[in-house]
Amino acid sequence: GENVEQHPSTLSVQEGDSAVIKCTYSDSASNYFPWYKQELGKRPQLIIDIRSNVGEKKDQRIAVTLNKTAKHFSLHITETQPEDSAVYFCAASINDKIIFGKGTRLHILP
Amino acid sequence: GAVVSQHPSRVICKSGTSVKIECRSLDFQATTMFWYRQFPKQSLMLMATSNEGSKATYEQGVEKDKFLINHASLTLSTLTVTSAHPEDSSFYICSARAGSTPDTQYFGPGTRLTVL
Repeated sequence: GENVEQHPSTLSVQEGDSAVIKCTYSDSASNYFPWYKQELGKRPQLIIDIRSNVGEKKDQRIAVTLNKTAKHFSLHITETQPEDSAVYFCAASINDKIIFGKGTRLHILP
Repeated sequence: GAVVSQHPSRVICKSGTSVKIECRSLDFQATTMFWYRQFPKQSLMLMATSNEGSKATYEQGVEKDKFLINHASLTLSTLTVTSAHPEDSSFYICSARAGSTPDTQYFGPGTRLTVL
């Protein structure tokens, strides 16, 4: 089955700097890659997604890149703000199922 | 739009009892619903996929007789944890997928289950 690896598990960045989270997936048939932000005790919130026919997508301070050949995809957050502190999950979708990475706890330092 | 609710938000029960969790899509018809379990500081683990009017498909390692799933209508799926034990204590989250947006899943707010 699909396996999604996510790194790093914890990331601390100075407010205003950029944060990058990287993921790899195992099944080349995966065709949809969403990213979720989860605050403590809350539901995951979709923040951006990318489909396999696109290499890059941007939404304001958030961008995602996808390298299908290498089976890598990454989340980039620029100009980080305190409210960006949360746990971020990458995911890959195959056969209608979404498989999550283990998550990255992002700390924005003042 | 695309709101998913869960009930209850929190439940505490005694070991050996059964607990039912409801997942509803409020403003769309959900052809497929998914049930996840999330232990503290861990990721969401898919338990089962539920399609309206048919039997749920369980992930490897998930006991179908312990976690009963019913998807009787296009807006409601239920998860019943039977004979709950302390190790079943977890955050249970459902998600629903609308037919019009096949990839996107809309998550419920989750149910915190504590088994004493």
